[in-house]
Amino acid sequence: DAKTTQPNSMESNEEEPVHLPCNHSTISGTDYIHWYRQLPSQGPEYVIHGLTSNVNNRMASLAIAEDRKSSTLILHRATLRDAAVYYCTPGSGGSNYKLTFGKGTLLTVNP
Amino acid sequence: DTEVTQTPKHLVMGMTNKKSLKCEQHMGHRAMYWYKQKAKKPPELMFVYSYEKLSINESVPSRFSPECPNSSLLNLHLHALQPEDSALYLCASSQVQGAANEKLFFGSGTQLSVL
Repeated sequence: DAKTTQPNSMESNEEEPVHLPCNHSTISGTDYIHWYRQLPSQGPEYVIHGLTSNVNNRMASLAIAEDRKSSTLILHRATLRDAAVYYCTPGSGGSNYKLTFGKGTLLTVNP
Repeated sequence: DTEVTQTPKHLVMGMTNKKSLKCEQHMGHRAMYWYKQKAKKPPELMFVYSYEKLSINESVPSRFSPECPNSSLLNLHLHALQPEDSALYLCASSQVQGAANEKLFFGSGTQLSVL
């Protein structure tokens, strides 16, 4: 399984952009990169996923390095509601595929 | 409806009790999952059901017994638990199991305390 490395914690100010990095240097060519977040007292919530191209949705943008060894989740304007643990995880597919979580990054948003 | 509903939200049980956790989804998803999460740790996968059949068991002790009576329901039966089993138990679902681009939808969890 591909291993991911994320900073333990990051801090941001409200209404500023946030760039959350993830290193996944052992990812295989067919693995998708998924991001989930977990708000306090909630279950994880899907944020975004991508394979090679950069991806945008209403929640965030995902920038994937050309060599696919790293990616960055971008929150364009952080709000207090974005304070959460953000998990980056590779998705390989197959009958034995299981979504697993690393330690994630705890994002604090200051007012 | 994109909700995964888990009941109860909180449960306290003794080590000799038998209890069940319930999970329900009405999104037509055919894969359902149980995760366990200890405080300040990431969720850990326990079981995966695909089309109501157990697909993955992550070597979970037999005191945890999953059941998938139909495509909308997932239960986790608990018996003779230990205090170290106290944790947040999360249920999730996805359209199918095994697609690399599959999205999982999680419930809010059941906070279990074993005394």
